Amino acid sequence: NAGVTQTPKFQVLKTGQSMTLQCAQDMNHEYMSWYRQDPGMGLRLIHYSVGAGITDQGEVPNGYNVSRSTTEDFPLRLLSAAPSQTSVYFCASSYSSSGNTEAFFGQGTRLTVV
Amino acid sequence: AQTVTQSQPEMSVQEAETVTLSCTYDTSENNYYLFWYKQPPSRQMILVIRQEAYKQQNATENRFSVNFQKAAKSFSLKISDSQLGDTAMYFCAFMIPGTYKYIFGTGTRLKVLA
Repeated sequence: NAGVTQTPKFQVLKTGQSMTLQCAQDMNHEYMSWYRQDPGMGLRLIHYSVGAGITDQGEVPNGYNVSRSTTEDFPLRLLSAAPSQTSVYFCASSYSSSGNTEAFFGQGTRLTVV
Repeated sequence: AQTVTQSQPEMSVQEAETVTLSCTYDTSENNYYLFWYKQPPSRQMILVIRQEAYKQQNATENRFSVNFQKAAKSFSLKISDSQLGDTAMYFCAFMIPGTYKYIFGTGTRLKVLA
């Protein structure tokens, strides 16, 4: 199993450009989420999904869109990139099971907006 | 709202020594999970240890153990016999069961010295 796969690993965007960060998991997990990691701020939740067709906002959703058309994929879209969105982005997945609460993370995408 | 505080931005420890990383949290919930995640320079997030709030016994995983003080809302991580491979950023995290939304602290950067 590949686990959680994020692409790309690195990306540079110009202000105003749009792009999609891809996230795919092959573990049949129900729950998927996106976090951003900024120095001195830890990881903050952007959006999450509890299953195909269901998404909701996290702590810092502005400027980002998500959709979940399949169990496996949970892309994150930046509609008009801003320098404030320069960050490292992590996708995570997990499943509901008694006693199991571990989140499995992708390797992250380092995004720079210039 | 829940919060997680890590008051030690950076720490260092000599190889083979013991180090304790601090974490405090705030919540009005009675049932929750607490985690320590390790993030080495590779950026990968790795689960180190987890604790269920309803369990009084402190969790241990090989050289890693926690001191969970529920009344004080404290969740410290002890690393025994520190190894060079323990050099990483360590994040304390909190989750309410069923939500699968993690709340992270700001992290402690640990450096193990040879």
